[in-house]
Amino acid sequence: NAGVTQTPKFQVLKTGQSMTLQCAQDMNHEYMSWYRQDPGMGLRLIHYSVGAGITDQGEVPNGYNVSRSTTEDFPLRLLSAAPSQTSVYFCASSSFGLGNTIYFGEGSWLTVV
Amino acid sequence: AQSVTQLDSQVPVFEEAPVELRCNYSSSVSVYLFWYVQYPNQGLQLLLKYLSGSTLVKGINGFEAEFNKSQTSFHLRKPSVHISDTAEYFCAVSEGRLRGQNFVFGPGTRLSVLP
Repeated sequence: NAGVTQTPKFQVLKTGQSMTLQCAQDMNHEYMSWYRQDPGMGLRLIHYSVGAGITDQGEVPNGYNVSRSTTEDFPLRLLSAAPSQTSVYFCASSSFGLGNTIYFGEGSWLTVV
Repeated sequence: AQSVTQLDSQVPVFEEAPVELRCNYSSSVSVYLFWYVQYPNQGLQLLLKYLSGSTLVKGINGFEAEFNKSQTSFHLRKPSVHISDTAEYFCAVSEGRLRGQNFVFGPGTRLSVLP
């Protein structure tokens, strides 16, 4: 069972560079999301999707872009990296249903210098 | 907007002692409540969740939590902790929409179990 797979696990970027964090799930979950984790702030929602072709903004969407062309994949794009985007990023997925468990990937550590 | 408060950022406790990690939420509407654990350099793993019914919820690894609607709290407890329980614990709230659900997480409590 692969579950939710994120790549890369570690990445260092220079300010202004762009990159894509990949996320794939093999559980046929309709719902996928991206969170960022910063010390003392818990996890904050960046973007989410309730199905292929449907995305929406979360709490902290600025500087990030997403798309959902398939049920399995939900990449997160950093358009022009800034030091404030240094964080740990988590992808998550769940099936529809009230109170269903959300499953997390192992995280991607991103440093912007 | 919902918010989740975890008053204790760090909780040190000796092995085999009891522990309580506190969580309060702000929403006045029906919510679903979760506790997740994060071990170093790993993702989040579900400990337990409250959806409805009994206010005392039992989870994995001997943890339990009690939902208190009047106090809008969902405190996590374990009667006897082990070294392996050292981790960060996150309380989370979901409004439980049918089509996917967005979580609001608390800032986390770092539990350190001392020998």
